[in-house]
Amino acid sequence: EIVLTQSPGTLSLSPGERATLSCRASQSVGRSYFAWYQQKPGQAPRLLIYGASSRATGIPDRFSGSGSGTDFTLTITRLEPEDFAVYYCQQFGTSRTFGQGTKVEIK
Amino acid sequence: QVQLQESGPGLVKPSETLSLTCTVSGGSITSYYWSWIRQAPGKGLEWIGYIYHSGSTKYNPSLKSRVTISVDTSKNQFSLNLRSVTAADTAMYFCARDGFSYELDYWGPGTLVTVSS
Repeated sequence: EIVLTQSPGTLSLSPGERATLSCRASQSVGRSYFAWYQQKPGQAPRLLIYGASSRATGIPDRFSGSGSGTDFTLTITRLEPEDFAVYYCQQFGTSRTFGQGTKVEIK
Repeated sequence: QVQLQESGPGLVKPSETLSLTCTVSGGSITSYYWSWIRQAPGKGLEWIGYIYHSGSTKYNPSLKSRVTISVDTSKNQFSLNLRSVTAADTAMYFCARDGFSYELDYWGPGTLVTVSS
């Protein structure tokens, strides 16, 4: 089973700042098989990024994904108040697994 | 617009079977994979398994011995059965669609299942 490790566990930032979230896989994952989600309290997760770098429908361009192999990154260029949430990475390469999540909180 | 809705008992007794159904509306259940995911209170997401409209399945190895996912294309529904539940199975259970590009693109709102006597 591929284990995904997200870092940091919590990111404390102010609106307007840049957020960089990391997800490291225990073995190589094809770019096509990698996604990012945002989850707010009491809500289902929302797809942000698929194929490591493609934005889902309706996702603002301040969200971007990059990476390959075992290291993937989600970047939010300028945090808006609605971006404070928990973010999960997921791989579809071997079975499916999620990272443990990174909470982006207001500093 | 595709919509998913989970349904089933909110309370299950220990050692019994948890049974949930996901109803898909606004689109056909055919031609896609359909997943179940759960989230224990205050914890992260755990993928449970998926089913294709043809009935082929794949499960999380850690749950495989207790899980069955089935599909009813005539009702545009798929279902989850989790046997021999314990308190550790208390969670919000989500159903979701696997899109064509390896992503979970549509999710149900989730349903909370508590395992308690």
